[in-house]
Amino acid sequence: DIQMTQSPSSLSASVGDRVTITCQANQDISNYLNWYQQKPGKAPKLLISAASDLKTGVPSRFSGAGSGTDFTLTISSLQPEDFATYYCQQYHSLPRTFGPGTKVDIK
Amino acid sequence: EVQLVESGGGLVQPGGSLRLSCAASGFTFRNHAMSWVRQAPGKGLEWVSGITGNGGRTYYAESVKGRFSISRDNSKNTLYLEMESPRVDDTAFYYCAKDYFGSGIFDAWGQGNLVTVSS
Repeated sequence: DIQMTQSPSSLSASVGDRVTITCQANQDISNYLNWYQQKPGKAPKLLISAASDLKTGVPSRFSGAGSGTDFTLTISSLQPEDFATYYCQQYHSLPRTFGPGTKVDIK
Repeated sequence: EVQLVESGGGLVQPGGSLRLSCAASGFTFRNHAMSWVRQAPGKGLEWVSGITGNGGRTYYAESVKGRFSISRDNSKNTLYLEMESPRVDDTAFYYCAKDYFGSGIFDAWGQGNLVTVSS
């Protein structure tokens, strides 16, 4: 199975801050990488697929980058509605595996 | 609008059985693979099982292989997960997810359904 790691596990930030979350796979997954946002008590929501393709309707302050084993999710200017937990997920192979999540909360 | 509505969760005893359902609407159900993803309370996401659009192929995480069974009825636009001999560590919120043309991109999710395995 492909193992996914994320860092940091949590971070505190202020509205307007630039935030970057990293995700690493333990083997080459090319660009088969998704990012999801999950708010408390809600289902995950797809933000980015193929490492950098923003889903329609997702604000442009979100961006993704990377290929191979190292990926990033960046929020260019954090908004109040962005406080949530973010997960990466590889779809290079089965079983699909998720990172452990990064919780972004208010400083 | 894509909608996925799960039902069938609740309390089940270890060794019992339970069937989850996921009613889909707003898209051509038979064209897309579907998956179940679970989340233990306060924990991360774990992919559980997937099925192709025509139901011909099924896939399982090692943690549930031989105990859970995924199926679908394309005439009813409904996905199922049969849970046999559940264990306490199967306690989780279970989400059905639309797998965009079987790509592994989960582009729509249900609201989640809590399954509690306890005696």
